Amino acid sequence: GQQLNQSPQSMFIQEGEDVSMNCTSSSIFNTWLWYKQDPGEGPVLLIALYKAGELTSNGRLTAQFGITRKDSFLNISASIPSDVGIYFCAGRRNNDMRFGAGTRLTVKP
Amino acid sequence: DAGITQSPRHKVTETGTPVTLRCHQTENHRYMYWYRQDPGHGLRLIHYSYGVKDTDKGEVSDGYSVSRSKTEDFLLTLESATSSQTSVYFCAIGEGQGTGQPQHFGDGTRLSIL
Repeated sequence: GQQLNQSPQSMFIQEGEDVSMNCTSSSIFNTWLWYKQDPGEGPVLLIALYKAGELTSNGRLTAQFGITRKDSFLNISASIPSDVGIYFCAGRRNNDMRFGAGTRLTVKP
Repeated sequence: DAGITQSPRHKVTETGTPVTLRCHQTENHRYMYWYRQDPGHGLRLIHYSYGVKDTDKGEVSDGYSVSRSKTEDFLLTLESATSSQTSVYFCAIGEGQGTGQPQHFGDGTRLSIL
């Protein structure tokens, strides 16, 4: 089946630093999505991307839909302690949607 | 918070017993989804529904069945639970573009099969 490779698996950063994570696949997707999950809760949709090359921002978060349609990137600028959590990418093609294994972000004050 | 309620939130049961998890929404969304979350695998789709009595299989549907008799309720049933079904189960709802996408997730049900 279609596999999503999300990297890095974990990140330890200092408050105020910028963060980058990405998701790649051997398959093409029509939609890329990014979610954040806090401990003990369900994931929350952060950004949805519907078009190759699309760049979308949500506050300090910016995500891009790769030109090849096989990858996506999420950047967080000026990280703050509440950015801590697990970030998941997801790719969708028709009725099939797959999630990456997640990037665990730790922010040190 | 989006109106999604999962019940129970925690359950411990024995191998071979039937288990039903319930998802209730107050958002009137067309699509409802059941996922399982396991370490190293992210979220994997079990089944989804695109309307009352309309359901389809996901990536890991073996051993699970679902039913949707009302827009607001989506039930996940393990007919005979196995230890491999120990997991955290999430319900999600959505409308979205095309065939829909999960936009809001519940807080999960932690299920342990002994």
